[in-house]
Amino acid sequence: GQSLEQPSEVTAVEGAIVQINCTYQTSGFYGLSWYQQHDGGAPTFLSYNALDGLEETGRFSSFLSRSDSYGYLLLQELQMKDSASYFCAVSTGNAGNMLTFGGGTRLMVKP
Amino acid sequence: EAQVTQNPRYLITVTGKKLTVTCSQNMNHEYMSWYRQDPGLGLRQIYYSMNVEATDKGDVPEGYKVSRKEKRNFPLILESPSPNQTSLYFCASSLYGQEYEQYFGPGTRLTVT
Repeated sequence: GQSLEQPSEVTAVEGAIVQINCTYQTSGFYGLSWYQQHDGGAPTFLSYNALDGLEETGRFSSFLSRSDSYGYLLLQELQMKDSASYFCAVSTGNAGNMLTFGGGTRLMVKP
Repeated sequence: EAQVTQNPRYLITVTGKKLTVTCSQNMNHEYMSWYRQDPGLGLRQIYYSMNVEATDKGDVPEGYKVSRKEKRNFPLILESPSPNQTSLYFCASSLYGQEYEQYFGPGTRLTVT
């Protein structure tokens, strides 16, 4: 089966940088995704890494190391609206059509 | 507006009473999926469908059924609900080959007493 580990909670101040780590154990790995979910809302897609390295999308960046079974989401210039839960998810199954999520990291941004 | 819709949004039912949660998407996506979300466990995939008449089990399929007779619809059926199926359910869809980027519906909060 698949297992993913990420911290349950992270706290940071507005304007700071925070990194949310994700380690995984899986078979048939195709890539690592990140999703954001605000309280009471639906998950929304942030980024995807299929290859090693850093992907940047505005204030958010995501990194993957396939050899270390490790990835992270980097949030820069934190804003209050970034307070949410963040989930990493691995693509597995036939051609990566199954998505297995981690337990989520609750990020609290303080003024 | 491109979206995934689910109905009902909230449902309280009793053990053993069959229920269906509907899911519909207007993005012409081939792939659709159902998840349940429980505190501390993240989202767990129940079933997914790569296209019409093609469904497969996810990580937690026991106690659930699905069907995909039309491309836009993917209902979740609980034939005999039990209290351990009390959860928040999400339907999602994506383009074929881009299953890493799924679009989620607003969720259905189900309580089974």
